[in-house]
Amino acid sequence: NAGVTQTPKFQVLKTGQSMTLQCAQDMNHNSMYWYRQDPGMGLRLIYYSASEGTTDKGEVPNGYNVSRLNKREFSLRLESAAPSQTSVYFCATLRDILSYEQYFGPGTRLTVT
Amino acid sequence: AQKITQTQPGMFVQEKEAVTLDCTYDTSDPSYGLFWYKQPSSGEMIFLIYQGSYDQQNATEGRYSLNFQKARKSANLVISASQLGDSAMYFCAMRFKTGANNLFFGTGTRLTVIP
Repeated sequence: NAGVTQTPKFQVLKTGQSMTLQCAQDMNHNSMYWYRQDPGMGLRLIYYSASEGTTDKGEVPNGYNVSRLNKREFSLRLESAAPSQTSVYFCATLRDILSYEQYFGPGTRLTVT
Repeated sequence: AQKITQTQPGMFVQEKEAVTLDCTYDTSDPSYGLFWYKQPSSGEMIFLIYQGSYDQQNATEGRYSLNFQKARKSANLVISASQLGDSAMYFCAMRFKTGANNLFFGTGTRLTVIP
């Protein structure tokens, strides 16, 4: 029972390169989230998926796209990376709207040079 | 708009002493949840404690308790009998049961436990 897994753990990109961050969960949770954490700040919501087949923008969606591939997997894509996207990215899950605890993955540390 | 404020960028506490980490929030929604997360230097987010806005009693989880003062819109975390392993960043967060059900985070407090 791995919980929430994220790949890769670390990544360095050059400006303009693209990449996809992967998130997978084995808890059968309905909702999945992508947050970013910048130095000196709390986590901010990029995109979320309330259930399989749906995705919606969060607070800071510009420069990102997402795919809810199935109930288990939720990916975050940077089409043309910019230095402002240097951050730590967290995936999180929520069983349903009656639940209260979100479960977080270990994070992906991304640096864009 | 909702807002979470943590005014203490850093705190120090002696080992075995208690410490209070402050959190205030602002919302007009009557239904919300308040959370505290711990982020050690390894980077993962660890859930500590939850308080619902309609809960009559303050939440407790082991050495953690949440001092919930609804009228003052504060949700302070109290850690009793501090241990060296408590040294970490602590984030206060809020969630609503409408919309995205996502967490809104404060900027965090770095706690250092001194031996």
